[in-house]
Amino acid sequence: DGGITQSPKYLFRKEGQNVTLSCEQNLNHDAMYWYRQDPGQGLRLIYYSQIVNDFQKGDIAEGYSVSREKKESFPLTVTSAQKNPTAFYLCASSFDRGRLPQHFGDGTRLSIL
Amino acid sequence: DAKTTQPPSMDCAEGRAANLPCNHSTISGNEYVYWYRQIHSQGPQYIIHGLKNNETNEMASLIITEDRKSSTLILPHATLRDTAVYYCIVRLGSNDYKLSFGAGTTVTVRA
Repeated sequence: DGGITQSPKYLFRKEGQNVTLSCEQNLNHDAMYWYRQDPGQGLRLIYYSQIVNDFQKGDIAEGYSVSREKKESFPLTVTSAQKNPTAFYLCASSFDRGRLPQHFGDGTRLSIL
Repeated sequence: DAKTTQPPSMDCAEGRAANLPCNHSTISGNEYVYWYRQIHSQGPQYIIHGLKNNETNEMASLIITEDRKSSTLILPHATLRDTAVYYCIVRLGSNDYKLSFGAGTTVTVRA
């Protein structure tokens, strides 16, 4: 079945450490997104990408970095510059960034040790 | 984006239809109504969307009033697995890449 795979499901980061969250999709979608979800705050957009080798900052990009070297993959790196990284991270994709719906993976929950 | 208003919670009996209301009185003519749901500790799941006409798919039906100021999501035969937070959002059809969820409606399906 087609879908979006995020890994790992749970991730722990030590202070000063960078960690990378994986997101892979086999839906042949052009656009991919990273959101952060905190309790009581809904979704906040971190980065998005419309095509390979191109990506744009969202509302809360500071402390994060991404790459889009392949259409299927959009990894997110949480750097040590992100001072409050504990959150539920969601990857999504869609055929375009217009009216077609975004489909989500099952998320990665990041915690600080 | 137009704001939406949903009841914070509702209960539904298993096997019965669940009708979830959403008010979006400031919706503009080119904004679509989308419904997603999120089961605890999982990613949001797209359910259905529409512009003016009523829509139906294998998961649910979407009824949009003629003035488009409100809509209702109908789960025809609720099961325990439909227990989730349901989000109604409105967004433009073009160049509107950012999803923004409000508080949603927590639906609890009871046996």
